Amino acid sequence: SQQGEEDPQALSIQEGENATMNCSYKTSINNLQWYRQNSGRGLVHLILIRSNEREKHSGRLRVTLDTSKKSSSLLITASRAADTASYFCATDASNTGKLIFGQGTTLQVKP
Amino acid sequence: DADVTQTPRNRITKTGKRIMLECSQTKGHDRMYWYRQDPGLGLRLIYYSFDVKDINKGEISDGYSVSRQAQAKFSLSLESAIPNQTALYFCATYSQGTQYFGPGTRLLVL
Repeated sequence: SQQGEEDPQALSIQEGENATMNCSYKTSINNLQWYRQNSGRGLVHLILIRSNEREKHSGRLRVTLDTSKKSSSLLITASRAADTASYFCATDASNTGKLIFGQGTTLQVKP
Repeated sequence: DADVTQTPRNRITKTGKRIMLECSQTKGHDRMYWYRQDPGLGLRLIYYSFDVKDINKGEISDGYSVSRQAQAKFSLSLESAIPNQTALYFCATYSQGTQYFGPGTRLLVL
């Protein structure tokens, strides 16, 4: 069964707006990661947040982690049409790279 | 990422046929993984390998087998393909918290 559930499943916004995606998981984790997938292509790692961290930034990306609620969010600020993709959260319970993925959020950014 | 390559990129096969999907990497990573992706279900782990002599089943290993021929090569086999194995298959390597994915193999089982 899937560890993570993502919300919303699909999101459509205008260029320049912010996009927020949420991920919930079920068991204790060592770290949580976010990946991006362009249509039909391989996943690309975006950012990793460890269980003892609460917030992390990378460029226009901001990730938060609330281990008490077993949830994470990914914020993309000032979105661009090129951000159109599917975004997946993945949890690693043992720092072994054995990831469990959520179902993903499909983001469409309209120019 | 060209450092992780998969062959073939697309494959159509018939029920009952044995097929092999191959993965090669030039990253020098010990750990390699095979996932399948189905619409609406995200990625699910099939098998993973921490080194040439260490191979482990993932969440959905039934109907699949793997071979780690060398550090750089990790192959996935479907012994007798069935239609519900139609999916997008990804190989990945791992280092320092990050997985590096290949471009995927799209498999259709008729």
